Amino acid sequence: DVKVTQSSRYLVKRTGEKVFLECVQDMDHENMFWYRQDPGLGLRLIYFSYDVKMKEKGDIPEGYSVSREKKERFSLILESASTNQTSMYLCASSFTLAVSTDTQYFGPGTRLTVL
Amino acid sequence: AQSVTQPDIHITVSEGASLELRCNYSYGATPYLFWYVQSPGQGLQLLLKYFSGDTLVQGIKGFEAEFKRSQSSFNLRKPSVHWSDAAEYFCAVGAIGRSNYQLIWGAGTKLIIKP
Repeated sequence: DVKVTQSSRYLVKRTGEKVFLECVQDMDHENMFWYRQDPGLGLRLIYFSYDVKMKEKGDIPEGYSVSREKKERFSLILESASTNQTSMYLCASSFTLAVSTDTQYFGPGTRLTVL
Repeated sequence: AQSVTQPDIHITVSEGASLELRCNYSYGATPYLFWYVQSPGQGLQLLLKYFSGDTLVQGIKGFEAEFKRSQSSFNLRKPSVHWSDAAEYFCAVGAIGRSNYQLIWGAGTKLIIKP
């Protein structure tokens, strides 16, 4: 079974802090994603990576950056956390480059609260 | 613009009753359609997907969905729900020809099971 793990299930940070969310997948997938999930809005793509050191912006990249130094690990960085970044953050991975048609495998999510 | 609509934010169903969750999409080309489920405390999991062929698709956990091009719909059904089906369900659309990294996600429908 594909396993996608996220470093924290719950995280509480203060406004202005730098926040790192880590995601690891164990199936040698090419593609990794970061989404945020908010009630009534579904999933919104923040960033996507299709290879080591490669990234593309999603729909809502403002206030976020990402890092992919190793194939299995994709990090989401909030340079200066703000209260409007309080949300559930989901990491996902998929095998092929046909992202819009391939199954995505999700981690359990990190619920981030920014005070 | 492309979009996915899940008209029901919440649905309450008695255990053992049948279920239908609605999904409507707006997209000009041939859609690739997905249903994912998010159980409490768990990551999203693929229930089923439709690419082509038979418009009635069978998935895991006894779910099925029917693609109706004339109605731009991809409704999810189950003949008899179990308490363990209580979860949030997301419909998503991807398509060849659009940006290859993105699915369009619905806002989700939360399923509540009455004992």
